[in-house]
Amino acid sequence: DGGITQSPKYLFRKEGQNVTLSCEQNLNHDAMYWYRQDPGQGLRLIYYSQIVNDFQKGDIAEGYSVSREKKESFPLTVTSAQKNPTAFYLCASSMPGVTGELFFGEGSRLTVL
Amino acid sequence: GENVEQHPSTLSVQEGDSAVIKCTYSDSASNYFPWYKQELGKGPQLIIDIRSNVGEKKDQRIAVTLNKTAKHFSLHITETQPEDSAVYFCAASIWDYGNNRLAFGKGNQVVVIP
Repeated sequence: DGGITQSPKYLFRKEGQNVTLSCEQNLNHDAMYWYRQDPGQGLRLIYYSQIVNDFQKGDIAEGYSVSREKKESFPLTVTSAQKNPTAFYLCASSMPGVTGELFFGEGSRLTVL
Repeated sequence: GENVEQHPSTLSVQEGDSAVIKCTYSDSASNYFPWYKQELGKGPQLIIDIRSNVGEKKDQRIAVTLNKTAKHFSLHITETQPEDSAVYFCAASIWDYGNNRLAFGKGNQVVVIP
């Protein structure tokens, strides 16, 4: 089945450690996105990529990094510079061009101990 | 930038009654307005969307209305059922330096009471 796969579903890390969240899609979508979800805060855009080897900062990019070496993959690294990393992270994809439907993964919950 | 606000933040309805969630947006250039439903522990899923050249769209028990002049759009759910209990997000499109993306509201928790 086509879709977006995020891993791991749950992740714990100690303060000061970097962690990478995986996002893979087989929908043949060009555009991919990372959102952060906190209670009562909605979905806030971290980074997005409209095409391979190119990406743009979203509204809350500080303390995060991404890469887009393959069309299918858009990993997110939460660095030790992110001051409040505990959150639910959602990856999404869409076709570029005229704004259209976002397809979301099931999310990764990161807890910093 | 675009600012999307949702009201109310929490809505409780009796099963069978209607639920209405309203969103306002600030950027008059926005032209695409989707609604997403998120069940507990899952990613959001698109349930209905509307583009700025249309005033209303219906899909079975769900409808969305758009008022471009007032910059607001609403989600209407009729004959609510327990499975409608979820968090609902509205969004509006942004044209950001040549890239299309969405700005989301903070979400509404809808509780359908059996």
